[in-house]
Amino acid sequence: DAGITQSPRYKITETGRQVTLMCHQTWSHSYMFWYRQDLGHGLRLIYYSAAADITDKGEVPDGYVVSRSKTENFPLTLESATRSQTSVYFCASSEIPGQNTEAFFGQGTRLTVV
Amino acid sequence: GDSVTQMEGPVTLSEEAFLTINCTYTATGYPSLFWYVQYPGEGLQLLLKATKADDKGSNKGFEATYRKETTSFHLEKGSVQVSDSAVYFCALRMTTDSWGKLQFGAGTQVVVTP
Repeated sequence: DAGITQSPRYKITETGRQVTLMCHQTWSHSYMFWYRQDLGHGLRLIYYSAAADITDKGEVPDGYVVSRSKTENFPLTLESATRSQTSVYFCASSEIPGQNTEAFFGQGTRLTVV
Repeated sequence: GDSVTQMEGPVTLSEEAFLTINCTYTATGYPSLFWYVQYPGEGLQLLLKATKADDKGSNKGFEATYRKETTSFHLEKGSVQVSDSAVYFCALRMTTDSWGKLQFGAGTQVVVTP
């Protein structure tokens, strides 16, 4: 199916464990983004990428790492999960940014760290 | 830095009521402005956008006008339906940002009752 898909949709993990959230898009968009959604904060940018092997930190990158070996995939890894990383995570993709460029979002992954 | 401020929710309305969600922004340059909608259990979808001052974005009965003099982009709908119940996010993207990063407000939950 065309679009942007995230997996898993729901995840419960223990403090200190490593967990990877997957994001896959079928449009061959160059740009991809990871946001976290928390009550009162809206969406905050964690990491972003302009192409395979080109990534940069966003507003709240601490405790996360990303990789982009293929254009269509942009996994987000929590190296050692903490309770403060309990959140809903959204992946997004877009074409090269321009006035009429639209970002497309996945359905989100709800992560609970216990 | 650049930021977006939205009115806090939840906003509870009866069907066919008029909806306004206030959004103001702070930016050092000239942003493009967006409204995204998140229906329950789903990711974000672009609702409408405006790329320059005095532009009006519209979609699905919703409208918002880019007001440079008041740095605002208020969302309005004349007659809401139960199906409009969702969380609405105002966002900006700086035209000088080659990465196309979006800066979101905190979101406003709207509940429409029959």
